[in-house]
Amino acid sequence: KQEVTQIPAALSVPEGENLVLNCSFTDSAIYNLQWFRQDPGKGLTSLLLIQSSQREQTSGRLNASLDKSSGRSTLYIAASQPGDSATYLCAVCQGTGGGNKLTFGTGTQLKVEL
Amino acid sequence: ETGVTQTPRHLVMGMTNKKSLKCEQHLGHNAMYWYKQSAKKPLELMFVYSLEERVENNSVPSRFSPECPNSSHLFLHLHTLQPEDSALYLCASSQPGASSRYAFFGQGTRLTVV
Repeated sequence: KQEVTQIPAALSVPEGENLVLNCSFTDSAIYNLQWFRQDPGKGLTSLLLIQSSQREQTSGRLNASLDKSSGRSTLYIAASQPGDSATYLCAVCQGTGGGNKLTFGTGTQLKVEL
Repeated sequence: ETGVTQTPRHLVMGMTNKKSLKCEQHLGHNAMYWYKQSAKKPLELMFVYSLEERVENNSVPSRFSPECPNSSHLFLHLHTLQPEDSALYLCASSQPGASSRYAFFGQGTRLTVV
């Protein structure tokens, strides 16, 4: 059974700092890994998707890496801003019947302070 | 706005009530999903529908009954729920055959069972 772990559970940093969020998973037979952002009481916004054959994806100040063989991914946020405050979720995608299923970690709650 | 719309956004129901959650997507995807997000727990996959057929039922109690009348609509019928069923219920859609397999999530329905 796939298990996804995210470290740290919570993080508080001053504005402008660079930071790294970590995600690990137990079963490397995945299609892709996605990083999501969730604001309080809201749905999920997809940030980055890394295919199983890729090592890295970048979008603006965000950079995600994937090491499938070791079951690890990192999300790097450069020059953090108060608007980045949210919960960040990592999810791995595997097949099921004719659909896909995502297995999520419990998230990292990020607070960026002025 | 992700292209996946859920209604209602908030729902309070008694344990003897019957209610339904609705999800609609106009992204042309042929797979739809229900996820449950409880406090302090990872998102859990409940049901997967592909081409309007249920392909996964993740050991969900029968008091939750999904329905997928067409590829754009997904319902979750609720009856005789328990207080521990209070959670954020998220709908998602994806195109499993697509190389990216991005999952798009709705804003969720916050359910409170009293």
